[in-house]
Amino acid sequence: QVQLVESGGGLVKPGGSLRLSCAASGFTFSDYYMNWIRQAPGKGLEWVSYISSSGSTIYYTDSVKGRFTISRDNTKNSLYLQMNSLRAEDTAVYYCARGVAAAVKYWGQGTLVTVSS
Amino acid sequence: DVVMTQSPLSMPVTLGQPASISCRSSQSLLDSDGNTYLSWFQQRPGQSPRRLIYTVSNRDSGVPDRFSGSGSGTDFTLKISRVETEDVGVYYCMQGTHWPGTFGQGTKVEIE
Repeated sequence: QVQLVESGGGLVKPGGSLRLSCAASGFTFSDYYMNWIRQAPGKGLEWVSYISSSGSTIYYTDSVKGRFTISRDNTKNSLYLQMNSLRAEDTAVYYCARGVAAAVKYWGQGTLVTVSS
Repeated sequence: DVVMTQSPLSMPVTLGQPASISCRSSQSLLDSDGNTYLSWFQQRPGQSPRRLIYTVSNRDSGVPDRFSGSGSGTDFTLKISRVETEDVGVYYCMQGTHWPGTFGQGTKVEIE
């Protein structure tokens, strides 16, 4: 069955960096767009970034452009999000999710990122 | 980006009674391929979102048939025919026709 397992979250000071990972299994990873979607505490869902199956197409929401970098390693069935210059407003649970927006169904359990001094 | 607006944002419901959530988009969600990519997600407390409905009215496998979706263009509705205790949570509509996907603000369903 499809499994997405995020890791790498934690507590970081403003201006710091974190690298999130998402390990995928149960499907042919290289066939699918992948996404990072976040949810601030008590808030709604926000699309952060997506990457095409080959990595050639990438999107970032405006608030993270220039600070976050999405990448993937199809040989390791893994998705990544490098987050630099973190701000308090980046505090959220970060989910990886499979597929183009029109067909997103599978989500991981999420990893919590807390940006605080 | 397409703005998705849900109403109401909070919904106290009586067990066994119906419930209805509205979702409106700032532009038509009809894709050039003829499909309308509007999904509904349920998020129970402490859990990841779970997709219930895709392309407006198609139920995912394992979703009880008391959940139904309808609508077209810019106006969509999720209905629960008889609310059960396990339906408590937040419901989000999401459009996938226009990149990036965007979500409604969420509707909190609770038992009164």
